[in-house]
Amino acid sequence: EDKVVQSPLSLVVHEGDTVTLNCSYEVTNFRSLLWYKQEKKAPTFLFMLTSSGIEKKSGRLSSILDKKELFSILNITATQTGDSAVYLCAVDTNAGKSTFGDGTTLTVKP
Amino acid sequence: DARVTQTPRDKVTEMGQEVTMRCQPILGHNTVFWYRQTMMQGLELLAYFRNRAPLDDSGMPKDRFSAEMPDATLATLKIQPSEPRDSAVYFCASGFGAVGFFGQGTRLTVV
Repeated sequence: EDKVVQSPLSLVVHEGDTVTLNCSYEVTNFRSLLWYKQEKKAPTFLFMLTSSGIEKKSGRLSSILDKKELFSILNITATQTGDSAVYLCAVDTNAGKSTFGDGTTLTVKP
Repeated sequence: DARVTQTPRDKVTEMGQEVTMRCQPILGHNTVFWYRQTMMQGLELLAYFRNRAPLDDSGMPKDRFSAEMPDATLATLKIQPSEPRDSAVYFCASGFGAVGFFGQGTRLTVV
């Protein structure tokens, strides 16, 4: 059975801090790993990673994949209160099935 | 601005009633997913389609849930009969192969 594990489950930081969120996986026929941010409503897409070692970057957010060790990290630098959300990791397989982790709840305090 | 559209946004129904949720995926996306989200279980995959063909619905309780995609612009998720434990937010998502973009969800409450 495909498995995606995120850590930590929750995290509280202060504005300006840098955070690292982790996602490890065990799936059959890995195709890609995706990161999402979920605030009150639907998850919104952040990154899709398919190749090891290539960093994807968007503003203060960046992510990298290690297909040998089966994990990915999401970094957020200079955090702001607007970064408070649940961050979800999902792994997609060649069969087209996408499995989500339980998420990391990030709280950024002013 | 392409988006996944779900209706209704909120639904309150009595136990035993039939519930139908609808999803209009982003035009051109070939894969459509139905997820259910609760505080206890997180995001659970119920079913997904590629090019309108059902690929996997093993996440759904088969006796009461059914998912169909009658055409490329419409996916439906039906619960009959509904039960209080079905109360959750149901998301539809579409993409090219992988899950990509989510709709705003249908919040279902079964009383």
